[in-house]
Amino acid sequence: QQQVKQSPQSLIVQKGGIPIINCAYENTAFDYFPWYQQFPGKGPALLIAIRPDVSEKKEGRFTISFNKSAKQFSLHIMDSQPGDSATYFCAASLDTGTASKLTFGTGTRLQVTL
Amino acid sequence: ETGVTQTPRHLVMGMTNKKSLKCEQHLGHNAMYWYKQSAKKPLELMFVYSLEERVENNSVPSRFSPECPNSSHLFLHLHTLQPEDSALYLCASSHAGTGNYGYTFGSGTRLTVV
Repeated sequence: QQQVKQSPQSLIVQKGGIPIINCAYENTAFDYFPWYQQFPGKGPALLIAIRPDVSEKKEGRFTISFNKSAKQFSLHIMDSQPGDSATYFCAASLDTGTASKLTFGTGTRLQVTL
Repeated sequence: ETGVTQTPRHLVMGMTNKKSLKCEQHLGHNAMYWYKQSAKKPLELMFVYSLEERVENNSVPSRFSPECPNSSHLFLHLHTLQPEDSALYLCASSHAGTGNYGYTFGSGTRLTVV
């Protein structure tokens, strides 16, 4: 119940394309869904996040779509650039009252080609 | 710099050695976390500290021993490790109990056990 399933494992798109990464969860107690971007040699960095009472959130070229009834959410990257080449992790958070526990997906390695 | 600093960046240790990983945050957060990142596996939560108290020990072997002397510093003491413990160890921090669930990660310590 604590798992977050992420697909695809890897993705190659051309510059300007719109890669889509999908995640699914089981635990309806999760109350915050962030996406992290990780470059080689760096730790994951928060990219964008959404709460389950919202169906879509946009920040710049990044959009999260959230389907509460299906327990699925996805990341769309508009007008993708070679600099977006990185590994992307979805996550789901459970607030225990004393700390926030993040459960991560397995990651999607994105390559944006010229 | 993300505001969370981890040292050392790289560590090679023998199975009989004792070493420590250090994490420091200057973000005013009051919860700190250790995660393990291995190839092709989700990030694994190891330990959670909230307000300097350990609130989670995620079935981690006793050869890993965390210490949180204050809200800005977190250590992971290592002894008699196994080769399968080789991984990237990530520290993160967040606000606890405020509804702001975003983690800030450090760049990690790449640990190799020989």
